[in-house]
Amino acid sequence: AQSVTQPDIHITVSEGASLELRCNYSYGATPYLFWYVQSPGQGLQLLLKYFSGDTLVQGIKGFEAEFKRSQSSFNLRKPSVHWSDAAEYFCAVIPKATGNQFYFGTGTSLTVIP
Amino acid sequence: DAGITQSPRHKVTETGTPVTLRCHQTENHRYMYWYRQDPGHGLRLIHYSYGVKDTDKGEVSDGYSVSRSKTEDFLLTLESATSSQTSVYFCANGRGAGELFFGEGSRLTVL
Repeated sequence: AQSVTQPDIHITVSEGASLELRCNYSYGATPYLFWYVQSPGQGLQLLLKYFSGDTLVQGIKGFEAEFKRSQSSFNLRKPSVHWSDAAEYFCAVIPKATGNQFYFGTGTSLTVIP
Repeated sequence: DAGITQSPRHKVTETGTPVTLRCHQTENHRYMYWYRQDPGHGLRLIHYSYGVKDTDKGEVSDGYSVSRSKTEDFLLTLESATSSQTSVYFCANGRGAGELFFGEGSRLTVL
């Protein structure tokens, strides 16, 4: 079945530590790939996206993500986490066959401890 | 620039009553979406619109209908609300290059 999987429901990191959030997808052709962030009580905001080309993409707020075709993954990373990064993170895809429909993973909740 | 305004932001209703959620965009983006967000499920697409009077179903459309009579407004209607429709509802528009811009959400409780 086609799907977007975020294996980690919740992650806790110390402020200043590095972060990696995992995302795997299962589609016949590589979909368009996105990471969104949701702060408490807010809507979602786009962090970064991958359509083609360089497999390492830079986003806002110091985030980056790496596309690995062999692993069907698009993991989000940040070298040094700030307390303000505490939020819910969603991986999303647009399957190329659907054109404009987004499908979201179930999300990873990030807690940052001092 | 609010971009997208959802109303009401909070609503409590009883099972069997009709409910309409409104999404208003200040710009004339062609694509608009309604999602619901539930713990453990992430965001799931209910319906979307690709123009005035042009709508299509998403993955969880049962029990919901939508209308788009003007570019700027996209309405989501629950004809007869059920407790399983208790959720947070998000409207979004598509701003090109694959980016969605979301409203702040409408929290609906069905008793």
